[in-house]
Amino acid sequence: KAGVTQTPRYLIKTRGQQVTLSCSPISGHRSVSWYQQTPGQGLQFLFEYFSETQRNKGNFPGRFSGRQFSNSRSEMNVSTLELGDSALYLCASSLGQGSELFFGSGTQLSVL
Amino acid sequence: AQKITQTQPGMFVQEKEAVTLDCTYDTSDPSYGLFWYKQPSSGEMIFLIYQGSYDQQNATEGRYSLNFQKARKSANLVISASQLGDSAMYFCAMREGSGTGGFKTIFGAGTRLFVKA
Repeated sequence: KAGVTQTPRYLIKTRGQQVTLSCSPISGHRSVSWYQQTPGQGLQFLFEYFSETQRNKGNFPGRFSGRQFSNSRSEMNVSTLELGDSALYLCASSLGQGSELFFGSGTQLSVL
Repeated sequence: AQKITQTQPGMFVQEKEAVTLDCTYDTSDPSYGLFWYKQPSSGEMIFLIYQGSYDQQNATEGRYSLNFQKARKSANLVISASQLGDSAMYFCAMREGSGTGGFKTIFGAGTRLFVKA
């Protein structure tokens, strides 16, 4: 069974640009969560989707958005990038909303 | 407010010895789940062990066990017979309902474990 797949693995952008990150969950998993990981702030919850609906959102500005498709794949978008958005973005899927999370390898975003 | 506290930024342990990584949590929700994850230097997060708030017995998974003390709101991870491959960052996490029908899992700051040969 394939794990959680995140693309791209690495991304370099400049301030003001926008970026879209993709996440394919484990087959059969309907819940997808996104996290931002930085050395200073640790793992911060961004949002969670279940059956195409955003069920929960963390304390991030509106520049961070996401969506989930009918096949449970999810995308995360960050608009008007800032230097502070440089981070490892981790996607996790789970069988149900309360189950353990299975993480992808992450997308390392660098904003210059 | 911080809800997951890991007070040990770094820990050293001798190979083949046991080590305990501390975790305390705070929640008013009677139903919650506690997790431990391992993050090696490669970056991927690996699920280790789970404890439900209503579970009567401490969870065990191979060399990992979770010392759950509900009244103290602590969920310490015990790794027995440490191996060099256990060197990694370890995160304690708690899943709780959000009240909007969703759940979210929040993580502690992590403990970096170094296993010495």
